[in-house]
Amino acid sequence: EVVMTQSPVTLSVSPGERAILSCRASQSVSSALAWYQHKSGQAPRLLMYHASTRATGIPARFSGSESGTEFTLTITSLQSDDFAVYYCQQYSHWPLTFGGGTKVEI
Amino acid sequence: EVQLVDSGGGLVQPGGSLRLSCVASGFTFSEYVMDWVRQAPGKGLEWVSATTGSGGYAWYADSVKGRFTISRDNSKNTLSLQMNSLRDEDTAVYYCAKRYEPAGGHFDYWGQGALVTVSS
Repeated sequence: EVVMTQSPVTLSVSPGERAILSCRASQSVSSALAWYQHKSGQAPRLLMYHASTRATGIPARFSGSESGTEFTLTITSLQSDDFAVYYCQQYSHWPLTFGGGTKVEI
Repeated sequence: EVQLVDSGGGLVQPGGSLRLSCVASGFTFSEYVMDWVRQAPGKGLEWVSATTGSGGYAWYADSVKGRFTISRDNSKNTLSLQMNSLRDEDTAVYYCAKRYEPAGGHFDYWGQGALVTVSS
């Protein structure tokens, strides 16, 4: 099973600042990496797929990048609506696996 | 507009059974792999099971293999998860999820979730 490791577990930032979230895969996932935003009581929301492609309707302040098995989600100029838990997920290998999540808090 | 509506959650005793349903609309349901993903209290997301568009193939996480069965009724645009021999650790919110591409890939739409509580 591909283990996805996210860091940090919690990220404390102020509105308007930049947040950088990391995700590491235990083996190559060939860019088959998605990011989701999850707020309590709501369905997860797709942000990025193929490591760096923004999903429909996602603002440009969200961007994704990859370097080998290291993936990064960057949120520039954080807005109040961005405070949530973020998960990475690989869909290259069975079983599909998620990272443990990064909570972005004020 | 794509919609996934989860239902069937509830309180069940350890060893009991429960059946979840997900009614889909807004896309050609029979063409897409569909999945169940869960989130236990205070934990992250965990993939549970998937099935092909025809329902002919299914995959399961080791944690539920032999106890859960995924199925679908394409005439009713409904995905189901039959959960037997439930354990305390199966307590979670269960989400159905649609794949971005018919053959697989990431998830582009999720249901609102159904809460399953396993407790005596």
